[in-house]
Amino acid sequence: SQKIEQNSEALNIQEGKTATLTCNYTNYSPAYLQWYRQDPGRGPVFLLLIRENEKEKRKERLKVTFDTTLKQSLFHITASQPADSATYLCASYSGAGSYQLTFGKGTKLSVIP
Amino acid sequence: DAGVTQSPTHLIKTRGQQVTLRCSPKSGHDTVSWYQQALGQGPQFIFQYYEEEERQRGNFPDRFSGHQFPNYSSELNVNALLLGDSALYLCASSRTGGPETEKLFFGSGTQLSVL
Repeated sequence: SQKIEQNSEALNIQEGKTATLTCNYTNYSPAYLQWYRQDPGRGPVFLLLIRENEKEKRKERLKVTFDTTLKQSLFHITASQPADSATYLCASYSGAGSYQLTFGKGTKLSVIP
Repeated sequence: DAGVTQSPTHLIKTRGQQVTLRCSPKSGHDTVSWYQQALGQGPQFIFQYYEEEERQRGNFPDRFSGHQFPNYSSELNVNALLLGDSALYLCASSRTGGPETEKLFFGSGTQLSVL
């Protein structure tokens, strides 16, 4: 089955800097990857989806890349703000035709004023 | 437009008891998935319901069962509760075959504590 690894459990960054979060996958090469944001005591909220033929995708201050050679996705938040503090989850479906979305453990981002 | 709603928000049970959690999907969605999230972990897939049938199941024992009703709402039942079942239970909805079918919309979850 799919395995999603987010190597950093926690990341502290100064306000205004760019935060970069890493997601690696093994066992199955997905057609697309998803990123979600989760605040304490709440369910995850969808942020971005990037397909294997899209090298980069942007949404406001967010940017996601997808490198199928490295089996890796990078998630960037530019000009970070304290309100960006949350846990960010990377996810992919577990196989072709699978309905199981597999999540990493997440990276807890803290933006320090 | 109401999003995904779950009830109750919090629940305390003792070992061996049974629990039922409820979920109403986002308007226009017909597919419901259930996830278990332990503290400090990512959500783990329990199963998915579509057309009132369990379409796919994750690596969870038969103590975990579910149901989907004709109005697309869903229940998750857990029998013979164990201490290890303490977790946040998340319901997610989507629309099979619709635009952005891959994207899941989550509720705020039910925090289950087993004592």
